[in-house]
Amino acid sequence: AQKITQTQPGMFVQEKEAVTLDCTYDTSDPSYGLFWYKQPSSGEMIFLIYQGSYDQQNATEGRYSLNFQKARKSANLVISASQLGDSAMYFCAMKKIDISSGSARQLTFGSGTQLTVLP
Amino acid sequence: NAGVTQTPKFRILKIGQSMTLQCTQDMNHNYMYWYRQDPGMGLKLIYYSVGAGITDKGEVPNGYNVSRSTTEDFPLRLELAAPSQTSVYFCASSDLAGVNNEQFFGPGTRLTVL
Repeated sequence: AQKITQTQPGMFVQEKEAVTLDCTYDTSDPSYGLFWYKQPSSGEMIFLIYQGSYDQQNATEGRYSLNFQKARKSANLVISASQLGDSAMYFCAMKKIDISSGSARQLTFGSGTQLTVLP
Repeated sequence: NAGVTQTPKFRILKIGQSMTLQCTQDMNHNYMYWYRQDPGMGLKLIYYSVGAGITDKGEVPNGYNVSRSTTEDFPLRLELAAPSQTSVYFCASSDLAGVNNEQFFGPGTRLTVL
């Protein structure tokens, strides 16, 4: 079974500083996708960034970048210049091809990291 | 586009009661999903659908039923509510099911079973 591990239940960062949220995954499949979602206290799930297993470059989206180290099976989220509005729960998730269906239907989530940005 | 909408936002049930959580998407997506999120945890897949009339079980299907009569709607049914079903329920949809296809989430339904 695929597994996502987020080892930091909580993180604190000073406003305007950068922060790295860790994510490791476990799969032997060559094709998979890694996603990061933000869940603010209001509860909705907001898609942040995607990294494909075959992508040669690390994904970037504005202040978000993904530090993808394939050999180490890690996909850490880097948030630069933290803002107070970045305070939220962050989830790492993975999709891979289901052998029986030939498609990637299920997102498997980690347990999340609660980020608090301090003023 | 409204995206994925869910009703109700909150609900309190007594043990043994039943209810239906509604989910509608207006993006013409073929794939729809139901997840539950227990306190302090990530989301777990309950059921999914690959199109109208086709549904299948996810990781934690026990105690739930689904149907998909139209592309837009994917209701989740709880027949005999139990305290273990206290959770936040998210509906999601995607147009395709590749490894790179994002799932779009609804705002969630917070359910408490007492």
